[in-house]
Amino acid sequence: RKEVEQDPGPFNVPEGATVAFNCTYSNSASQSFFWYRQDCRKEPKLLMSVYSSGNEDGRFTAQLNRASQYISLLIRDSKLSDSATYLCVVNPSGNQFYFGTGTSLTVIP
Amino acid sequence: SQTIHQWPATLVQPVGSPLSLECTVEGTSNPNLYWYRQAAGRGLQLLFYSIGIDQISSEVPQNLSASRPQDRQFILSSKKLLLSDSGFYLCAWRRDGIGVGQYFGPGTRLTVT
Repeated sequence: RKEVEQDPGPFNVPEGATVAFNCTYSNSASQSFFWYRQDCRKEPKLLMSVYSSGNEDGRFTAQLNRASQYISLLIRDSKLSDSATYLCVVNPSGNQFYFGTGTSLTVIP
Repeated sequence: SQTIHQWPATLVQPVGSPLSLECTVEGTSNPNLYWYRQAAGRGLQLLFYSIGIDQISSEVPQNLSASRPQDRQFILSSKKLLLSDSGFYLCAWRRDGIGVGQYFGPGTRLTVT
């Protein structure tokens, strides 16, 4: 079983829509979780950490469900500039970081 | 503020040739450093990480090696490249601690021909 699994998409949504991505992880003892954004042929950029109580940054909301071992990212009021690949990352411990293969999002005018 | 540099940005090398990719971090001290490879259409694979000078952990057995001769310098090397070494090589840094994310450099796109 993979450490982290993501639906690759693609997700094609109109501007202004709300879209959600999920990511499941296999190690129930995992400590830290993150969402990254990666534009085509660029490096991943840290979007936000995911906290147990859920956290919000503007139009972006991240949530963690430890019982079901998944994290989610919700994007409200999608903008054209949100088009990218979104990567979930799980840090079981120490310096082990497992990246999902990414979910592709295209926001359509 | 902290910045991370990688070079070269792109590289085309023949099979069997050596490789040296460099990564430097500015604006912080004693960072944890990482080398990842991203093959086309695949996730990031952790290759090496380092918690200090000359302290390297290898995650994947292969023909690559890493060195950290200075606190903020991380080098990825190979004596003889294979076709399968092609990919997008990314260096990252982070401060030590739980819940601390990684910050990536701009990457090196390597094509082995």
